[in-house]
Amino acid sequence: EAAVTQSPRNKVTVTGGNVTLSCRQTNSHNYMYWYRQDTGHGLRLIHYSYGAGNLQIGDVPDGYKATRTTQEDFFLLLELASPSQTSLYFCASGGDTSNTGQLYFGEGSKLTVL
Amino acid sequence: QQQVRQSPQSLTVWEGETAILNCSYEDSTFDYFPWYHQFPGESPALLIAIRPVSNKKEDGRFTIFFNKREKKFSLHIADSQPGDSATYFCAASNQGGSAKLIFGEGTKLTVSS
Repeated sequence: EAAVTQSPRNKVTVTGGNVTLSCRQTNSHNYMYWYRQDTGHGLRLIHYSYGAGNLQIGDVPDGYKATRTTQEDFFLLLELASPSQTSLYFCASGGDTSNTGQLYFGEGSKLTVL
Repeated sequence: QQQVRQSPQSLTVWEGETAILNCSYEDSTFDYFPWYHQFPGESPALLIAIRPVSNKKEDGRFTIFFNKREKKFSLHIADSQPGDSATYFCAASNQGGSAKLIFGEGTKLTVSS
């Protein structure tokens, strides 16, 4: 069973605060993704990576940095959090043809920026 | 810009009816089209997927119809059950390229008994 673990599950911060969301996968997948989910917008891709040290820009990257330190670990960084970044964030692994393209999602991290 | 568009935003059907969810896309290089479902409080999970070598894919009560010429695909849920009530997302990617999976806005399906 594919496994993707996110932390923290819930986070509250203030405007201008510094937030790091962590994701670890034990699936040996090459690809990892960070999405945000907002009502009316579905899942929007922030950043993704196809291996340690690699970073690809997604569709809504402004205000976010990301780093893939190992094949297992992918971090999303908000260095100056704003209320517009209040959202539910999902990490996922998979997506390449070696595993049929399926994404496996973590449990989600709910971020509130006051 | 939304590369994958989904409709309707919400849909209510009676138990036993067929629910039809629609998607369209713009990028002609997309070659992988999955549908994910998400139950309240849970993460999205793959339901069924199609590649454009065929125009139909069935898995039990779930069928994808694909129209490459019109860049449209749809999910048909036959004999809908209350347990099918969830949010459904279509998506598309270029597996031979970036493998970036782009999702639609979602359709909230409610099946009433």
